[in-house]
Amino acid sequence: GAGVSQSPSNKVTEKGKDVELRCDPISGHTALYWYRQRLGQGLEFLIYFQGNSAPDKSGLPSDRFSAERTGESVSTLTIQRTQQEDSAVYLCASSLGAGKAFFGQGTRLTVV
Amino acid sequence: EDQVTQSPEALRLQEGESSSLNCSYTVSGLRGLFWYRQDPGKGPEFLFTLYSAGEEKEKERLKATLTKKESFLHITAPKPEDSATYLCAVRKNSGGSNYKLTFGKGTLLTVNP
Repeated sequence: GAGVSQSPSNKVTEKGKDVELRCDPISGHTALYWYRQRLGQGLEFLIYFQGNSAPDKSGLPSDRFSAERTGESVSTLTIQRTQQEDSAVYLCASSLGAGKAFFGQGTRLTVV
Repeated sequence: EDQVTQSPEALRLQEGESSSLNCSYTVSGLRGLFWYRQDPGKGPEFLFTLYSAGEEKEKERLKATLTKKESFLHITAPKPEDSATYLCAVRKNSGGSNYKLTFGKGTLLTVNP
């Protein structure tokens, strides 16, 4: 596609439910990033995928968070047993190796 | 640990009043410093990449510069449409294929007409 696509754009979920967020990167981009942005805050790194290398999971805040990527295509970020502090905008980006990263519009997650 | 600090946190300018935003960084082996613009409710939009000290990039009213410790985003004669949050990010040379970007908290720029 022309840009990074994320779905859904908005998600409201009840505390304790699991949610799955999707990211479609730019075709051909080998690197894919997930970031979290709480209201009024900067971007907090979550996880990074690069080709077939082991992902960098160093930013995942707890074992309730996990992410997968199939080859160099779609990625899903899963949050289990959601908590209110998980409410944030989740941003996905992709890049061609060490090139500039392009971001999607984000998924706004609200846990009630 | 890699650190990126942006200042000021917020800046309010009058239209036409030039100023600069600062991004200071601590990273072992810089492999690129990136500036992004973020409008409310949207994802960050790429502006510039700088790779080595002394490098400069320009786009319309914006000019980004880089030293060994910091980067400046200069805004000349800003217009209200330049109002946004400006984010700085660094990528370090980890020797492998990890291209993780570390972001600062951003500067919220407001340009009043």
